Amino acid sequence: DTGVSQNPRHKITKRGQNVTFRCDPISEHNRLYWYRQTLGQGPEFLTYFQNEAQLEKSRLLSDRFSAERPKGSFSTLEIQRTEQGDSAMYLCASSPIQGPSYEQYFGPGTRLTVT
Amino acid sequence: AQKITQTQPGMFVQEKEAVTLDCTYDTSDPSYGLFWYKQPSSGEMIFLIYQGSYDQQNATEGRYSLNFQKARKSANLVISASQLGDSAMYFCAMREVNAGNNRKLIWGLGTSLAVNP
Repeated sequence: DTGVSQNPRHKITKRGQNVTFRCDPISEHNRLYWYRQTLGQGPEFLTYFQNEAQLEKSRLLSDRFSAERPKGSFSTLEIQRTEQGDSAMYLCASSPIQGPSYEQYFGPGTRLTVT
Repeated sequence: AQKITQTQPGMFVQEKEAVTLDCTYDTSDPSYGLFWYKQPSSGEMIFLIYQGSYDQQNATEGRYSLNFQKARKSANLVISASQLGDSAMYFCAMREVNAGNNRKLIWGLGTSLAVNP
């Protein structure tokens, strides 16, 4: 049984460039979440998918951010025209649709550095 | 609004001793869940323990136990017999259930735990 995987693990990009991150959830998990974590902070919710439907987007997610989950499997998070303030760890998590606790299982994260 | 407060930025504990990490929460929702996660320096969030708001007993998972005091809105994590590998950031989080059935987590700022040999 493989856990949640994220690629790439690290990304360094220049301001103004576009970047795309990928998340592969645990295969039987219907729910997928993206969070952003900056240094010294807890994660902040960005967006949520149930199967292929994006059901909620945080106000933190500006128009430069877009996320997809085609076919309800893997998900991508794209940031267009990156800014230095986008530098953070981007965490993906998945959880089952049923269960007593619905705990979220996290991937290793993608650390983005915008120079 | 839902909120998680962790008042201990850093904690030290001697190896083999027990340590308590504090967490208080605020919510008006009668149904909620409380989680503790461990984040080592590698960055991955590791699920440790869960407590539901209607659970009558405190949750336990191996060396981890959750001291749930509902009236005080606190959910402290107790780690018994600390090990060097327990050195990490520890986050308390609360799950809220909103109209969109989104079970997103609200997080505290975390507590950095250092286990001394």
